[in-house]
Amino acid sequence: ETGVTQTPRHLVMGMTNKKSLKCEQHLGHNAMYWYKQSAKKPLELMFVYNFKEQTENNSVPSRFSPECPNSSHLFLHLHTLQPEDSALYLCASSQTGRSVSGNTIYFGEGSWLTVV
Amino acid sequence: DQQVKQNSPSLSVQEGRISILNCDYTNSMFDYFLWYKKYPAEGPTFLISISSIKDKNEDGRFTVFLNKSAKHLSLHIVPSQPGDSAVYFCAARISGSARQLTFGSGTQLTVLP
Repeated sequence: ETGVTQTPRHLVMGMTNKKSLKCEQHLGHNAMYWYKQSAKKPLELMFVYNFKEQTENNSVPSRFSPECPNSSHLFLHLHTLQPEDSALYLCASSQTGRSVSGNTIYFGEGSWLTVV
Repeated sequence: DQQVKQNSPSLSVQEGRISILNCDYTNSMFDYFLWYKKYPAEGPTFLISISSIKDKNEDGRFTVFLNKSAKHLSLHIVPSQPGDSAVYFCAARISGSARQLTFGSGTQLTVLP
């Protein structure tokens, strides 16, 4: 069983729909992330939350709205998406700290999003 | 501009032979490097890592080599097994940053039985 769980695993939505992706981590980590993976592209970091506070937004369009109510849960609210937003959305978590070798990121299984 | 590059999108290797996956980076500030493995319909899973103070790290069949002067790292899998068939992502990080990883675009490894 993965320490990071994402729901739903698959989502098909219309361009006018509003939907949300949910992520929960059971690892006691204090940082959570949203990544986007499109075909044949590197994983793109979207948002970073440390101790529930957003510390990074990598120029993500406002139609993607993250929410982090606590260190264990992360949401990605989706609104008026475009077909090119279809991708695999990956949630991840890590433990922040000062060590160089720590802080390995653990990923969930991803949510496949198709925008029609 | 991609700071972490995996120039081979795919690699096929015979079972039992060595698989060598390569990764190049451009940012000399990177000081920690990781390899992730991803099966279809699953999230990436951490495989092995190396700090910039080392040039080699070994874990079972997996060895990562780091050449800082060439800004190059490689992952060796010996012997390769069919279950190793997956996409392998190289990632790099700068210490003291917010600990985000910069990923390469991945290499699809296929191990042929």
